[in-house]
Amino acid sequence: DAGVIQSPRHEVTEMGQEVTLRCKPISGHNSLFWYRQTMMRGLELLIYFNNNVPIDDSGMPEDRFSAKMPNASFSTLKIQPSEPRDSAVYFCASSRGLALTDTQYFGPGTRLTVL
Amino acid sequence: KQEVTQIPAALSVPEGENLVLNCSFTDSAIYNLQWFRQDPGKGLTSLLLIQSSQREQTSGRLNASLDKSSGRSTLYIAASQPGDSATYLCAVDQTGANNLFFGTGTRLTVIP
Repeated sequence: DAGVIQSPRHEVTEMGQEVTLRCKPISGHNSLFWYRQTMMRGLELLIYFNNNVPIDDSGMPEDRFSAKMPNASFSTLKIQPSEPRDSAVYFCASSRGLALTDTQYFGPGTRLTVL
Repeated sequence: KQEVTQIPAALSVPEGENLVLNCSFTDSAIYNLQWFRQDPGKGLTSLLLIQSSQREQTSGRLNASLDKSSGRSTLYIAASQPGDSATYLCAVDQTGANNLFFGTGTRLTVIP
């Protein structure tokens, strides 16, 4: 298996633009997680899905952020409009089980820079 | 809100030394605690998970302990190797929170 695939790997955009990050989980996995990592705040869980259904989005920073999982093999994290403080590395992870602490497999991340 | 702290932020040791990484958390109402490893430019790899009812877990040269009442966990690495160089993060699964709370990590460098 190719592991968790994220695209793009790097994104540079201007403030106010819409940004869409994409994730393909490992085939057969039932849970998908979106994380954000910054120097100031460390790693934060934004939202996670079980069987394509959002379970908890309390980590989503504000309404500018939205995530979807239209099917078992694809998820998006959208920021609209983007702001410089959104600059971070965004990780997607997937796991076979439904619990938060089932072994998660992380993608390589998307480094987002908002100018 | 749960706060997870890791001290020190960075640590350098010569190869072969045993070392201890520390993790503390403010709310002891947790399901479990995990230790992860993150290599530069990569995602996280799970190392060990300790349930709240357990005191320690071992995997190879790694041993993690948990003292829930005092809000502390340690990760002991025996006979360190240059390949152990990475950032180590702990994360707490808090009761009723549906969230994982991560520490900011300790960046370990093992010098050959």
